[in-house]
Amino acid sequence: EPEVTQTPSHQVTQMGQEVILRCVPISNHLYFYWYRQILGQKVEFLVSFYNNEISEKSEIFDDQFSVERPDGSNFTLKIRSTKLEDSAMYFCASSRRGNQPQHFGDGTRLSIL
Amino acid sequence: QKEVEQDPGPLSVPEGAIVSLNCTYSNSAFQYFMWYRQYSRKGPELLMYTYSSGNKEDGRFTAQVDKSSKYISLFIRDSQPSDSATYLCAMTPPRMSGLTFGKGTHLIIQP
Repeated sequence: EPEVTQTPSHQVTQMGQEVILRCVPISNHLYFYWYRQILGQKVEFLVSFYNNEISEKSEIFDDQFSVERPDGSNFTLKIRSTKLEDSAMYFCASSRRGNQPQHFGDGTRLSIL
Repeated sequence: QKEVEQDPGPLSVPEGAIVSLNCTYSNSAFQYFMWYRQYSRKGPELLMYTYSSGNKEDGRFTAQVDKSSKYISLFIRDSQPSDSATYLCAMTPPRMSGLTFGKGTHLIIQP
């Protein structure tokens, strides 16, 4: 069964550094998403991406964050000037169309030191 | 008032029991409803996807939506120890794609 894959599974970064999280969505899916889950809290929506542009973003997704689809298979989340509070699980998801079920990867655990 | 409320549990039941998991929500714009299962150190796995009020059944799982009460449920029949996980409800309005999640209910099925 096709799945969303994310790399790395765990990323440790010094505060203030930039980090790039990578995702390979399911191949025939057109919509891509990033979510985060701070330990003990809800899964929170960050951003959705369709047709090479952001289609929706939450209040969390400020200028510190950016997304890109650099080629036909990868979808990335860049976090600049990381802060301690950016420590969380980051999940990538994809769906065939908007409002279709979203399928999630197993996440990248980001630890900011 | 939080948008989506879900009792975090833990909910512990014996193997073979019927499990009932619930979420309430406040935003009447929500029209699409999902249940995900999340095992430790894994991503959410889609279990059920519904639109509109009523019931939807898939194997041992039944999803129920009552929009008038802003209340959704997931029933698990003949529960198995492998069903032990955190169950997340999620929902979204039409023409928006970002899901709003509940906090998740930690379910334990005792052998």
